[in-house]
Amino acid sequence: AQSVTQLDSQVPVFEEAPVELRCNYSSSVSVYLFWYVQYPNQGLQLLLKYLSGSTLVKGINGFEAEFNKSQTSFHLRKPSVHISDTAEYFCAVSEDFGNEKLTFGTGTRLTIIP
Amino acid sequence: EAQVTQNPRYLITVTGKKLTVTCSQNMNHEYMSWYRQDPGLGLRQIYYSMNVEVTDKGDVPEGYKVSRKEKRNFPLILESPSPNQTSLYFCASGALKSWGTEAFFGQGTRLTVV
Repeated sequence: AQSVTQLDSQVPVFEEAPVELRCNYSSSVSVYLFWYVQYPNQGLQLLLKYLSGSTLVKGINGFEAEFNKSQTSFHLRKPSVHISDTAEYFCAVSEDFGNEKLTFGTGTRLTIIP
Repeated sequence: EAQVTQNPRYLITVTGKKLTVTCSQNMNHEYMSWYRQDPGLGLRQIYYSMNVEVTDKGDVPEGYKVSRKEKRNFPLILESPSPNQTSLYFCASGALKSWGTEAFFGQGTRLTVV
């Protein structure tokens, strides 16, 4: 069964500094990988996804993530954060094997310090 | 506009009083699912449905019921709510053939059981 680990539950970052949110997954088959964002008091919004092809995926709001199969990672990055990036970020995985299950990590709360 | 609609958005209830959270989607999706979100635990799947009259348990089904009498609706029923069911609930839908690659989420229902 697949699983997702987000090691950092909270990440404080100064405004305009770069940020990396870490995500590692476990699966015995090929996977699809996702990052979702949840702004305060709002629902989930898809930030970006990796299905196949280029391992560097660009998403909305200047975020990007890189799929690394050998390290089973899908870290999220942004070169310069803004106050508006304050949110909770969830990494998720589904398996490319007819498995409909979408499994989420425990989330990383990103706090931007002015 | 394509959307998943949950109602109510906020609900406070007392222990043991039956309640239903409705979920409706207008995208003709076969697959629908309920998740609960708790601090430090991320999103965990409660139940899912792959089509009308087809439902199955997710990771945390205890204390919940669902039904899928129509394709567009997937209500979550708590017949005897308890305080440990206080949580943020999300409904999601997707086309069966692409659920693993694209899921649409509702805005969430914040439930408090006192």
